[in-house]
Amino acid sequence: KQEVTQIPAALSVPEGENLVLNCSFTDSAIYNLQWFRQDPGKGLTSLLLIQSSQREQTSGRLNASLDKSSGRSTLYIAASQPGDSATYLCAVVKRGTYKYIFGTGTRLKVLA
Amino acid sequence: DGGITQSPKYLFRKEGQNVTLSCEQNLNHDAMYWYRQDPGQGLRLIYYSQIVNDFQKGDIAEGYSVSREKKESFPLTVTSAQKNPTAFYLCASTDGVRELFFGEGSRLTVL
Repeated sequence: KQEVTQIPAALSVPEGENLVLNCSFTDSAIYNLQWFRQDPGKGLTSLLLIQSSQREQTSGRLNASLDKSSGRSTLYIAASQPGDSATYLCAVVKRGTYKYIFGTGTRLKVLA
Repeated sequence: DGGITQSPKYLFRKEGQNVTLSCEQNLNHDAMYWYRQDPGQGLRLIYYSQIVNDFQKGDIAEGYSVSREKKESFPLTVTSAQKNPTAFYLCASTDGVRELFFGEGSRLTVL
């Protein structure tokens, strides 16, 4: 059974710091891995999608990497800003299915 | 603008009542999903549908029902059999490369 773990559960950093969020999964037979951002009381916003044949994706200050063999993905946020404060979730979808399995998220606070 | 619309945003239910949450998408996506989110927990899958007139139970389907009569619509009914329905409910859909998109959510509170 696929399990997705995100560590740490919460993180506080000063503005301007570069940071890394971690996502681990137990079954490497995945089709996609996706990173999301969730603001309090809101839905999830898609940040980056990495397909199984890819090793990384970049969007602005965000870079996500995928290492299927080790069951890990990292989300790198450069030059963090207070507006980056949110909960970040990762999710994987198993090859041959439409079911997404989510991690419990990392709650990030960027201090001004 | 294309997107997923959930309504109502806030809903209150009395004990013993059934309530229906609406989810409409104009993204022309085939697959649609309902998730439940509780404080401090991850998203748990209630039901999903890959095509019209077909749907599958997720991990916590008991006390919920769905229908998929139209491609763009996937309503969720929370029945009186759901013993702890107070939660944040999220609807989502996926495109051909299975990128998941979400609505803004509906918060259900039992009085």
